[in-house]
Amino acid sequence: GDSVTQMEGPVTLSEEAFLTINCTYTATGYPSLFWYVQYPGEGLQLLLKATKADDKGSNKGFEATYRKETTSFHLEKGSVQVSDSAVYFCALSPPRSQGGKLIFGQGTELSVKP
Amino acid sequence: ETGVTQSPTHLIKTRGQQVTLRCSSQSGHNTVSWYQQALGQGPQFIFQYYREEENGRGNFPPRFSGLQFPNYSSELNVNALELDDSALYLCASSPTVAASTDTQYFGPGTRLTVL
Repeated sequence: GDSVTQMEGPVTLSEEAFLTINCTYTATGYPSLFWYVQYPGEGLQLLLKATKADDKGSNKGFEATYRKETTSFHLEKGSVQVSDSAVYFCALSPPRSQGGKLIFGQGTELSVKP
Repeated sequence: ETGVTQSPTHLIKTRGQQVTLRCSSQSGHNTVSWYQQALGQGPQFIFQYYREEENGRGNFPPRFSGLQFPNYSSELNVNALELDDSALYLCASSPTVAASTDTQYFGPGTRLTVL
């Protein structure tokens, strides 16, 4: 079945460091791909998305490119801030799925130190 | 524009009891999905409601049931609570019956603890 695998956390970085969180997926056809972020005590917020191969999603300095050939959607940011500390979830929505359900990875916790 | 709201924020129940969680969708959204997020895990899809009918269900037993009302708000009901039902329950809404490309907008969640 369809699934998402993320790199395990926690990831600890110093402020202004480069961030990569790996995400790979298994799906039939061309799913849509998403990154959501969850700050402590809150629900999930959409960070970015890409709906077809080679699309690049970007928001707030974060980027991810939909790579069909490697079935990946890695999240990157050039310079992280303390305020980026959160849990990041990669997710896919299968094409023509019933109800547009989201399938999530297990999440990667990011901690940014000053 | 009002976002997705959920109530209550926290809830404590004992094993075998029943619970009802509530969700108000974002203004203009007619589709509501429910997810269960166990501690340290990603959310798991429970089911989705569109125009007051179930429109897709994940791998959850029948004791998980739901309703959607004419104003598009929704309830999640769980009967015969088990300890493993302890989790954060998230509601998400989308503008129409969700296509795979659509963004789902999440509420803050209800933290359920089963003792």
